[in-house]
Amino acid sequence: SYVLTQQPSVSVAPGQTARITCGGNNIGSKSVHWYQQKPGQAPVLVVYDDSDRPSGIPERFSGSNSGNTATLTISRVEAGDEADYFCQVWDSSGGHFYVFGAGTKVTVL
Amino acid sequence: QITLKESGPTLVKPTQTLTLTCTFSGFSLSTSGVGVGWIRQPPGKALEWLAFIYWNDDKRYSPSLKSRLTITKDTSKNQVVLAMANMDPVDTATYYCAHNMNPPFGWFDPWGQGTLVTVAS
Repeated sequence: SYVLTQQPSVSVAPGQTARITCGGNNIGSKSVHWYQQKPGQAPVLVVYDDSDRPSGIPERFSGSNSGNTATLTISRVEAGDEADYFCQVWDSSGGHFYVFGAGTKVTVL
Repeated sequence: QITLKESGPTLVKPTQTLTLTCTFSGFSLSTSGVGVGWIRQPPGKALEWLAFIYWNDDKRYSPSLKSRLTITKDTSKNQVVLAMANMDPVDTATYYCAHNMNPPFGWFDPWGQGTLVTVAS
């Protein structure tokens, strides 16, 4: 089965840039979606199709995807960005599966 | 505006069957290119995809849970129902349903608020 690997945690000072990675075998050939989840809340889509932002999501959130790594970048980090972030792909090898990464906890110092 | 809301028991006993209902508004599951998925999250852990139903009634399941899951839809009621048999304490989790605009490639947006299900005797 397809596996997505995320670093467990990222710490960043306010105003700086946070980069959250999602690794997978040839993930660059797949569409990657990113979700933000704050404590006690449901996940919220922040980036879809590698680099597109839903309406209402600040431009500070951006994404890229190439080779074996997809990246969610949060520029000019704010205290309100502190949350868990999950990547997700659809994998068709051997069937039809939605796969989530284990999540990255972003802490704003 | 699309909204979804999960409902069902908050406590089930081991070996029982869990039945959860997702009631939604703002879209129709009879519209081509639409789907609804179920995803769960044990306390403090990652998201796990469970099942998915397409507008045309095509159904897909997580391989590891396929034998225990059944997903159905009632288009007239705007509802999707997930049944999970033979519940175990390890199935304790928050269960979410979510809308998918462009299955199977698409993303889940939005999500319901989730419902916490505890499995205990």
